[in-house]
Amino acid sequence: AQTVTQSQPEMSVQEAETVTLSCTYDTSESDYYLFWYKQPPSRQMILVIRQEAYKQQNATENRFSVNFQKAAKSFSLKISDSQLGDAAMYFCAYRRAYGNKLVFGAGTILRVKS
Amino acid sequence: DAGVIQSPRHEVTEMGQEVTLRCKPISGHNSLFWYRQTMMRGLELLIYFNNNVPIDDSGMPEDRFSAKMPNASFSTLKIQPSEPRDSAVYFCASSTRAGTGGYEQYFGPGTRLTVT
Repeated sequence: AQTVTQSQPEMSVQEAETVTLSCTYDTSESDYYLFWYKQPPSRQMILVIRQEAYKQQNATENRFSVNFQKAAKSFSLKISDSQLGDAAMYFCAYRRAYGNKLVFGAGTILRVKS
Repeated sequence: DAGVIQSPRHEVTEMGQEVTLRCKPISGHNSLFWYRQTMMRGLELLIYFNNNVPIDDSGMPEDRFSAKMPNASFSTLKIQPSEPRDSAVYFCASSTRAGTGGYEQYFGPGTRLTVT
């Protein structure tokens, strides 16, 4: 079974600085998708970024980028120029290419200091 | 376009009572998912539907839980009888396709259920 591990229960970053959230996963599949979701205090789950395993190029969405290391099964999220609105719980998630089930990590609470 | 709609947003009930959570997926989406979020177990997939048909209900914890999707625009998750350990946030999500591609799941705002 696939598992997703987020080893950092909580992280802090100063406003305008950069922070990296870690995620590792375990799978025997070669084709899959990885996601980062943001959950602010409102509870709404918001997709931040997505990475296809067959793509070597790391995905980027504005201030958010990933470092995808397929051999190491690592998928970290980098947030540049952190803003107060980035404060939230961040979840890493995995999904098989030909499947529907999202497997989530335990989450990392990100606090942004002004 | 409206997102995934869930009702109620908050539900407080007494142990033993029946609870029904409702979800309206995004129009045009043909896959629907029910998740449960707790501090102890994180986010777990309970069940999902493709084209109104339940495909995988292996995450449903007990027979007390049941889910239906009578049509493409409505689904329910029912707990009968409810127990305090069912207290959690229940999310509904929908996506355009199932089985292939990186089609994103769009989540509703969740229902916070408290069973006393």
